[in-house]
Amino acid sequence: GEDVEQSLFLSVREGDSSVINCTYTDSSSTYLYWYKQEPGAGLQLLTYIFSNMDMKQDQRLTVLLNKKDKHLSLRIADTQTGDSAIYFCAESEGAGNMLTFGGGTRLMVKP
Amino acid sequence: AAGVIQSPRHLIKEKRETATLKCYPIPRHDTVYWYQQGPGQDPQFLISFYEKMQSDKGSIPDRFSAQQFSDYHSELNMSSLELGDSALYFCASSLRMVGTEAFFGQGTRLTVV
Repeated sequence: GEDVEQSLFLSVREGDSSVINCTYTDSSSTYLYWYKQEPGAGLQLLTYIFSNMDMKQDQRLTVLLNKKDKHLSLRIADTQTGDSAIYFCAESEGAGNMLTFGGGTRLMVKP
Repeated sequence: AAGVIQSPRHLIKEKRETATLKCYPIPRHDTVYWYQQGPGQDPQFLISFYEKMQSDKGSIPDRFSAQQFSDYHSELNMSSLELGDSALYFCASSLRMVGTEAFFGQGTRLTVV
């Protein structure tokens, strides 16, 4: 079955770059996503990447995909205290398909 | 822009009671998903609907049922509630033909006491 894994915790200083990593096992994964969840709040879609791409950039966010190693990363440039949240990696096999989430990485940004 | 609306935001029920959670997708979205997120857990897929028909089924207990109505809103019905059902329940919607982004609502926090 599908399995998506992330490290539990990441701490960075304000202004530094953050890199959150994710690995997945399902070869059928077609779309890979990053969601942000602040305490007690819903899931905010940050960005997504198709499996035929290896990089996508959106303002401070850069997604890198190594399809061979099934490794996905999210880089946040110039990390701010407002970026402190839990970041979930997720994958799906296609449009309209269910999402399988990783366990989430708690990002703490220190002033 | 309109987002996914869930109601109620908070719900407290006793064991063995029933609960109904409602979800109003983004206008013109044709696919609705339900997820359950336990404390400190990642969201787990329960069930989805496409054009009012059940599309996919995940780890939804038999005590739960869901449907999507003609106006595309969806309801998750939960019976014989157990303490372990306490969780955040998210609804998400997407437009299948246009893209793959699923947009999530703010969730309903269900507490079973």
